[in-house]
Amino acid sequence: EAGVAQSPRYKIIEKRQSVAFWCNPISGHATLYWYQQILGQGPKLLIQFQNNGVVDDSQLPKDRFSAERLKGVDSTLKIQPAKLEDSAVYLCASSFRLGLAATGELFFGEGSRLTVL
Amino acid sequence: GESVGLHLPTLSVQEGDNSIINCAYSNSASDYFIWYKQESGKGPQFIIDIRSNMDKRQGQRVTVLLNKTVKHLSLQIAATQPGDSAVYFCAEKGSSASKIIFGSGTRLSIRP
Repeated sequence: EAGVAQSPRYKIIEKRQSVAFWCNPISGHATLYWYQQILGQGPKLLIQFQNNGVVDDSQLPKDRFSAERLKGVDSTLKIQPAKLEDSAVYLCASSFRLGLAATGELFFGEGSRLTVL
Repeated sequence: GESVGLHLPTLSVQEGDNSIINCAYSNSASDYFIWYKQESGKGPQFIIDIRSNMDKRQGQRVTVLLNKTVKHLSLQIAATQPGDSAVYFCAEKGSSASKIIFGSGTRLSIRP
């Protein structure tokens, strides 16, 4: 079974530029997550989708970050304009289903490492 | 508020010994807890989970203990091996919430 695919693996940009990350979850997984992981910290949830609807985006800096999952499968996360503090690894994860009975077993991709200069 | 923290940021263990990684949480409404392992350059990987109606759960070489009275959980790794070197995160989910919140992590290093 293929895992969660993310691209690009690495990206270096200057502040105020824009960047986009792509994620393809495991086939059949309805729930998709974007986490931001700053060096030395735990992952922080940015946005959570159930199919193509947003479940939680309370931690997403909406003035500069946007995310979409138009067809309920692939997702893109965009940052525009980037700031120095956006330097982090952006992790995409998916799970089979959402809800109180669901497990916490998220399947993560390898992440996209962003460096903002 | 929701927060998950760890007692020790780093842990060094002799190969073959048992490892114990601790985690404190503050949200008494959390009813589900998970341990993840993250190796360098990779995404976190699920290890084991436990619901709040349990106080112990065992997997292959791993055991998670939950003490709701003091809001504490621990991950025990038996006979620690070099491949166990990683950062370990505890995470929590509340009964009325769908999102999973991660703690700050403990780095486990293995001495030969």
